[in-house]
Amino acid sequence: DIQMTQSPSSLSASVGDRVTITCRASQNIRIYLNWYQQKPGKAPNLLIFAASSLQSGVSSRFSGSGSGTDFTLTISSLQREDFATYYCQQSYSNLWTFGQGTKVEIK
Amino acid sequence: VQLVQSGTEVKKPGASVKVSCKASGYTFTAYYLHWVRQAPGQGLEWVGCINPNSGGTEYAQKFQGRVTMTRDTSMSTAYMELSRLKSDDTAVYYCARDGEAPWGQGTLVSVSS
Repeated sequence: DIQMTQSPSSLSASVGDRVTITCRASQNIRIYLNWYQQKPGKAPNLLIFAASSLQSGVSSRFSGSGSGTDFTLTISSLQREDFATYYCQQSYSNLWTFGQGTKVEIK
Repeated sequence: VQLVQSGTEVKKPGASVKVSCKASGYTFTAYYLHWVRQAPGQGLEWVGCINPNSGGTEYAQKFQGRVTMTRDTSMSTAYMELSRLKSDDTAVYYCARDGEAPWGQGTLVSVSS
């Protein structure tokens, strides 16, 4: 199975901060990498697909980059509604795997 | 595109549970459907997937022998059955489609004696 290693596991930030979350795959997954946001009691919501494509309806302050094994999710200017948990997920294989999650909290 | 799941289930250890996921807004047979679970306070864990066109399935190794995924193409509905339930199967189970589509709303399966 493809292992996904996400970091950090949590971070504290202020409104307006630039936030970066990284995800590393255990093998080359090309650009088959998605990013989700999850709020308590809700299903995960797709933000970025194919490593850098913004899902329809998602704010442009979210961006993704990377290919191969190393990927990054960036929030350019953190807003109050962005405090949530973020997951990376590989879809290179039908056997999906997820990062451990990054909880973004208010400083 | 919408995935609507069945409601909360409360089961005893050793029992089985069958969760449904009804798809609408797209051609049901065109995209794989995956099942992902999330235990309380934990991350996301892939359970398995089904090809609605062929009925072919792939399961995570830890669920092999306990999980069965099926589909009814006439109803555009996929099912996940998990048997020999244990307390640590307590989780919210989500269905999710391949490609850029919203997940189902989740089904809480609670296993307790």
